[in-house]
Amino acid sequence: DIQMTQSPSSVSASVGDRVTITCRASQGISSWLAWYQQKPGKAPKLLIYAASSLQSGVPSRFSGSGSGTDFTLTISSLQPEDFATYYCQQANSFPYTFGQGTKVDIK
Amino acid sequence: EVQLVESGGGLVQPGGSLRLSCAASGFTFSRYWMTWVRQAPGKGLEWVASIQEDGSAKYYVDSVKGRFTLSRDNAKNSLYLQINSLRAEDTAVYYCARAMPATGEDYWGQGTLVTVSS
Repeated sequence: DIQMTQSPSSVSASVGDRVTITCRASQGISSWLAWYQQKPGKAPKLLIYAASSLQSGVPSRFSGSGSGTDFTLTISSLQPEDFATYYCQQANSFPYTFGQGTKVDIK
Repeated sequence: EVQLVESGGGLVQPGGSLRLSCAASGFTFSRYWMTWVRQAPGKGLEWVASIQEDGSAKYYVDSVKGRFTLSRDNAKNSLYLQINSLRAEDTAVYYCARAMPATGEDYWGQGTLVTVSS
């Protein structure tokens, strides 16, 4: 199975900050990577698919990059509604494994 | 509007069984892969299983193989997860999600809680 490792596990940031979260796959997954946002008590929400494609309705301050084994989610200017936990997921081969999550909280 | 509504969760004793259901609406159900993802209390997301549009292909995470069975009824726009031989570590919120192969899960239900405890 492909293991997904996110870093950092948590980050404290202020409104307006640029936040970067990384995700590393244990083997190459081309660009088959998705990013999700989850708020407490809610279902996850798809932000980015195919490593860099923005899901419809997602603000443009979210962006994704990378291919192969190393990927990045960037929030260009953190907004109050962005405080949440973020997960990466590889969609290259079953089982579609998730990273352990990165919690973005208020500094 | 795409809607996914899970049901069937509850409290069950170790070794017991449950059948989770997911009712889909607002899209052509038979044209999409579907997925179950679970989340143990206070933990991260775990992909559990996915099923192809016509039900011909199914994939499971190793920890549930032989105990969980995924099925669908396209005539009823419904997805099912039969879970047997339940263990304490199966305690989680189970989410039904619409899947796009090699892309991700773009719509999710609100989840149904399964608690395994004596």
